[in-house]
Amino acid sequence: DAGVTQSPTHLIKTRGQQVTLRCSPKSGHDTVSWYQQALGQGPQFIFQYYEEEERQRGNFPDRFSGHQFPNYSSELNVNALLLGDSALYLCASSLWRGEQETQYFGPGTRLLVL
Amino acid sequence: GNSVTQMEGPVTLSEEAFLTINCTYTATGYPSLFWYVQYPGEGLQLLLKATKADDKGSNKGFEATYRKETTSFHLEKGSVQVSDSAVYFCALNPLRGTYKYIFGTGTRLKVLA
Repeated sequence: DAGVTQSPTHLIKTRGQQVTLRCSPKSGHDTVSWYQQALGQGPQFIFQYYEEEERQRGNFPDRFSGHQFPNYSSELNVNALLLGDSALYLCASSLWRGEQETQYFGPGTRLLVL
Repeated sequence: GNSVTQMEGPVTLSEEAFLTINCTYTATGYPSLFWYVQYPGEGLQLLLKATKADDKGSNKGFEATYRKETTSFHLEKGSVQVSDSAVYFCALNPLRGTYKYIFGTGTRLKVLA
């Protein structure tokens, strides 16, 4: 049973560029959440997708957008990259309104903006 | 608002020492509480959880008790090993089933042989 997978593992971009990160949830999960983890900090919630719609959003600008596909996989897009967007981006999957209250995290994509 | 406060690290211990990492929270309602561990270069792994007051979560020798009266969820282990060296994150889910987690800043643990 594959866990949460993310691609790519590392990425280097320059300011102003756009980036797309990808996530496949754990088998059987239908909800995908994205988090940004700056160096030395805890993860910050970006947004969450269920049934191909954004259900919740954290305090992130509109430059951060996403998508969920019918197979539950998801993409995170960041436009007009800033140096401050350099971070580890974590994807987490769960079961919508699941009783187990458990969210599983992927290994992350490390983004460096130069 | 909702928040999580963890003790600052790094925490440095000798092998077989007793570990406590403090975590307190602020939340409206009845959050679920979690401890996650992050090994170097990796994502987060769920260590343990508690979903209601007085619940005790446990896993791999680690324990934490959900204390509503003190709004705390301290992580403990009776005898740490070198392999426990990692960053530990306390987190809360403010509303059951929503998974909009709020994390603390993490506590780095270094265990020396």
